[in-house]
Amino acid sequence: NAGVTQTPKFQVLKTGQSMTLQCAQDMNHEYMSWYRQDPGMGLRLIHYSVGAGITDQGEVPNGYNVSRSTTEDFPLRLLSAAPSQTSVYFCASSPTNSGDEQFFGPGTRLTVL
Amino acid sequence: GNSVTQMEGPVTLSEEAFLTINCTYTATGYPSLFWYVQYPGEGLQLLLKATKADDKGSNKGFEATYRKETTSFHLEKGSVQVSDSAVYFCALSGSNAGGTSYGKLTFGQGTILTVHP
Repeated sequence: NAGVTQTPKFQVLKTGQSMTLQCAQDMNHEYMSWYRQDPGMGLRLIHYSVGAGITDQGEVPNGYNVSRSTTEDFPLRLLSAAPSQTSVYFCASSPTNSGDEQFFGPGTRLTVL
Repeated sequence: GNSVTQMEGPVTLSEEAFLTINCTYTATGYPSLFWYVQYPGEGLQLLLKATKADDKGSNKGFEATYRKETTSFHLEKGSVQVSDSAVYFCALSGSNAGGTSYGKLTFGQGTILTVHP
C-alpha cells in the first residue's frame, strides 16, 4: 500500500493563479481531510469529507474548494491564489471512528508570490 | 468549540534528559487524544493515543495519560535521544456519548524539540 500520496511536493504560484493539489489514498478510508500548517499555529482544518459525494467546511475554508467523486481521491483547488495561502498543505485519511488515527501524506509546500 | 493548548517551545535538551511537553484541552463530548510527531521534511505520524479517561498511551518510550479531571494529556519520556528531535503536536478528535465520530482533528500549535548529544 502506498498510503496517502500528495502531488506536487513543491509549487510556486503567482497571485491570482489557480491550481489543484492532488491527494489519493489506497486504504479504502471513508474520511479524508485537508489541513494547512503555518508556523506557530499548528495544523488547521480546511475541508473534510466523510465519504464519496460528501464534503464540508473546516476552520479555514475561504479561498479553497474540494470535491470527492471517489473514495480514493480528494483534490483541493485554489481558485485565485493569494500570498496568505503560502503554507504547507497536508492531506489525511482515516476510517470514520474518531478513535482511529489519521494517516497523513508527505505534504505540499506552496508559495504564492 | 474544541481547542488544544501546548506548552510554548522550542525545547532544547541534552541526550538522556527527561522530557515533558504539556498539553491541555477544551472539548465537548468524549474526545480521543493523540500525540503526533513530525520529523524534519516529513508529514505527521501518530506517536500515541488514548480514547478514554485514565487510558495511558505509549510508544517508543513516550507516554501520556488521559486526565479528564485536569483536561490534560502531557507527553513524557524518561531519556531522550538525538533521534527524538522533531515537532510534537497534541490533538483531539471529538465524538458524542453514542460514539458518533466527528472525525476532525483539532491540533495544538506544536512544540519543537531539539536534543543535543
